[in-house]
Amino acid sequence: AQSVSQHNHHVILSEAASLELGCNYSYGGTVNLFWYVQYPGQHLQLLLKYFSGDPLVKGIKGFEAEFIKSKFSFNLRKPSVQWSDTAEYFCAVRSTSGSARQLTFGSGTQLTVLP
Amino acid sequence: DTGVSQDPRHKITKRGQNVTFRCDPISEHNRLYWYRQTLGQGPEFLTYFQNEAQLEKSRLLSNRFSAERPKGSFSTLEIQRTEQGDSAMYLCASSYTEGGTDTQYFGPGTRLTVL
Repeated sequence: AQSVSQHNHHVILSEAASLELGCNYSYGGTVNLFWYVQYPGQHLQLLLKYFSGDPLVKGIKGFEAEFIKSKFSFNLRKPSVQWSDTAEYFCAVRSTSGSARQLTFGSGTQLTVLP
Repeated sequence: DTGVSQDPRHKITKRGQNVTFRCDPISEHNRLYWYRQTLGQGPEFLTYFQNEAQLEKSRLLSNRFSAERPKGSFSTLEIQRTEQGDSAMYLCASSYTEGGTDTQYFGPGTRLTVL
């Protein structure tokens, strides 16, 4: 069974600080990887995704993530955060083999950016 | 693109009552997913449909839970004889499959409170 670990439950940063949120998954096969964001009072929105190819993927709002297969990791980064990035961030994985198409999510990381 | 919509947004019910939630996917999306999210956790997969066929339902939490997508468009999730432990956010997502990959887009959710 797949599982996803997000070790940082709550991260507090000042504006302009750099961000890296960790995401590790456990699954031996090929996977698709996603980061979703949930701003206060809003629904889950796709931030970025990795299916294949270049392991460094860029998403919306200046976010990027790097897939490191050997480490089973897909960490999210942003060089300079803004107050508006305050939100909860979820990493998710989906197997590409078999019939399973559902996402397996991590428990999320709450990011608070101080102005 | 009007996004995934869910109705109602909030539902308060008494223990033992039945509840039904509706999800309208993005137009032309052929897959529809139901997830449940409890406080401090990421979404947890329940079931999914491809068109009108329910392809995975083993993750439904108990036989009190059932879902339908009768015409391959909107879907309903019913919980019979609700229990306090059913209190959670119920999320719907939809996707369009292409080339073996798909990206799920989430609705705003229905927050269920069982008294």
